[in-house]
Amino acid sequence: EPEVTQTPSHQVTQMGQEVILRCVPISNHLYFYWYRQILGQKVEFLVSFYNNEISEKSEIFDDQFSVERPDGSNFTLKIRSTKLEDSAMYFCASNLAKNIQYFGAGTRLSVL
Amino acid sequence: GENVEQHPSTLSVQEGDSAVIKCTYSDSASNYFPWYKQELGKGPQLIIDIRSNVGEKKDQRIAVTLNKTAKHFSLHITETQPEDSAVYFCAASKNTDKLIFGTGTRLQVFP
Repeated sequence: EPEVTQTPSHQVTQMGQEVILRCVPISNHLYFYWYRQILGQKVEFLVSFYNNEISEKSEIFDDQFSVERPDGSNFTLKIRSTKLEDSAMYFCASNLAKNIQYFGAGTRLSVL
Repeated sequence: GENVEQHPSTLSVQEGDSAVIKCTYSDSASNYFPWYKQELGKGPQLIIDIRSNVGEKKDQRIAVTLNKTAKHFSLHITETQPEDSAVYFCAASKNTDKLIFGTGTRLQVFP
């Protein structure tokens, strides 16, 4: 069964450093999303991406965040200068024609 | 914007009993309501979903009901098994775009 894959599974970084979280969505999917989940809390929407541009973003997704689909398969989330409060699980999701969203296993980001 | 409330936050049941989790949403334009199961260390996995043109949907031991007038929807799991133990999230969406999640319910099924 096709799946969304995310790397790395765990990323540790120092405050102020840049991190790039990587995702490979399901191959024929067209809509891509990033969500985050702070430990013990609910999953929160960050950004949606379609046709090589952001279609919607939340208040959390400020100027420190950016997304990119550099080639036909990868979808990345970059945090320019990490803060302690960026520590969370980050989930990538994708769907085809706004159907069911499939989630990856997530990247745990720890900012020290 | 949309807000989704979910109750209870924790639920403990005996194996074989039923479990019910309830959610309410605020935006009457929401028309897609999925339920996700999240096991420890994994991403959310869709277990069932319902669209606003349907009042009830069932898949084996799992069922979801939707009351559009009251803006609430519920997940029903019958004949619970220990492997049903997980965190369950409801969500609401317009046209299956961004998902707004509830706060989650930790379900524990005791043998």
